[in-house]
Amino acid sequence: DGGITQSPKYLFRKEGQNVTLSCEQNLNHDAMYWYRQDPGQGLRLIYYSQIVNDFQKGDIAEGYSVSREKKESFPLTVTSAQKNPTAFYLCATTGLYSNQPQHFGDGTRLSIL
Amino acid sequence: AQSVSQHNHHVILSEAASLELGCNYSYGGTVNLFWYVQYPGQHLQLLLKYFSGDPLVKGIKGFEAEFIKSKFSFNLRKPSVQWSDTAEYFCAVNSAGNNRKLIWGLGTSLAVNP
Repeated sequence: DGGITQSPKYLFRKEGQNVTLSCEQNLNHDAMYWYRQDPGQGLRLIYYSQIVNDFQKGDIAEGYSVSREKKESFPLTVTSAQKNPTAFYLCATTGLYSNQPQHFGDGTRLSIL
Repeated sequence: AQSVSQHNHHVILSEAASLELGCNYSYGGTVNLFWYVQYPGQHLQLLLKYFSGDPLVKGIKGFEAEFIKSKFSFNLRKPSVQWSDTAEYFCAVNSAGNNRKLIWGLGTSLAVNP
């Protein structure tokens, strides 16, 4: 079944701890994105990658890091420098052309203990 | 800078009422326009999109949207809503060409009362 798999579905972080959210896709899409969704604030772009081994900061990259070593995978690390990490995190992918829609995973909800 | 404005943050309707959600964008060039829907507990999915041709586009579940270039608008409509349309609706825009980065509106939360 083609799609985007985000794991885990729920994640808890202690203060001062880094955590990594997984995003895997089998759609053979080049571009991958990480968004943060907070109530009333829509989707805010954290990082995106248009090809392997390359990525760019989005609008709210501070306190986050990513890697893109494989086309299928785009993990997001929420570092201890991110002061307000509690949120719903969405991973998306898209194909070659700008008129192609983005496809989304089911999301990971991160909470602070 | 590009931006997307969704005028209604919360909408409450009764079943069978008509729906129109506003979306305006600021960008002077050629754009691609999208409406996404997020049903409770589900992932974001595409409702419809416009990139060229007939400015009136039809999507899933009876939704449609009209691109009015002169007004920089892409409003979403449905003649008769159902309880199952209760969801969050997002408008998004990108510039045509190689830029695949989307600019998102803040979303509209729609509640349909049975």
